[in-house]
Amino acid sequence: QKEVEQDPGPLSVPEGAIVSLNCTYSNSAFQYFMWYRQYSRKGPELLMYTYSSGNKEDGRFTAQVDKSSKYISLFIRDSQPSDSATYLCAISYSGGGADGLTFGKGTHLIIQP
Amino acid sequence: DVKVTQSSRYLVKRTGEKVFLECVQDMDHENMFWYRQDPGLGLRLIYFSYDVKMKEKGDIPEGYSVSREKKERFSLILESASTNQTSMYLCASSFWDIPRAFFGQGTRLTVV
Repeated sequence: QKEVEQDPGPLSVPEGAIVSLNCTYSNSAFQYFMWYRQYSRKGPELLMYTYSSGNKEDGRFTAQVDKSSKYISLFIRDSQPSDSATYLCAISYSGGGADGLTFGKGTHLIIQP
Repeated sequence: DVKVTQSSRYLVKRTGEKVFLECVQDMDHENMFWYRQDPGLGLRLIYFSYDVKMKEKGDIPEGYSVSREKKERFSLILESASTNQTSMYLCASSFWDIPRAFFGQGTRLTVV
């Protein structure tokens, strides 16, 4: 079983819709959770960073972590064509050390005007 | 803003060449990473470094080496480039105790 599972999509929704992107993970030791946005031919850009369970909101974006279910989500409200990109979830064991991040393979999101 | 700069956006090299990919960060981060990204395989960690002259193998280190002589600079070296090393290479950095990594713009390497 892979450590982080993410549906690759593509996920296509109309402009203005609420988008839900999800990842599941297998190891309960993971504590730090991130979402990155990657436009074509560019490096990933950090969108959201959360520790442990709960919600975090930043503008139109909300990150949600449910550690009991090993499930993380990113919600995008009032989606825009500029939100079209690949979204990667990333998780880490601890705040200390340099063990790197474990990434999902990314979900390709298309917002149709 | 954090800035992670990779020396080249696009590179084309011949099989057997020694290739150097350079990365510089300006946020005094202790950790630096090299990933490669391939369609269907996602991001895979090649090497990381947590201090000057320190390095650790990631998931796919074969065929690669790294160098970190200064805190802000982390180099990835392909000792003898092969066609299966054609990929997007991404450098990232973070503080030691905060696993919030910032990425460079990527280097698209083609080995012919």
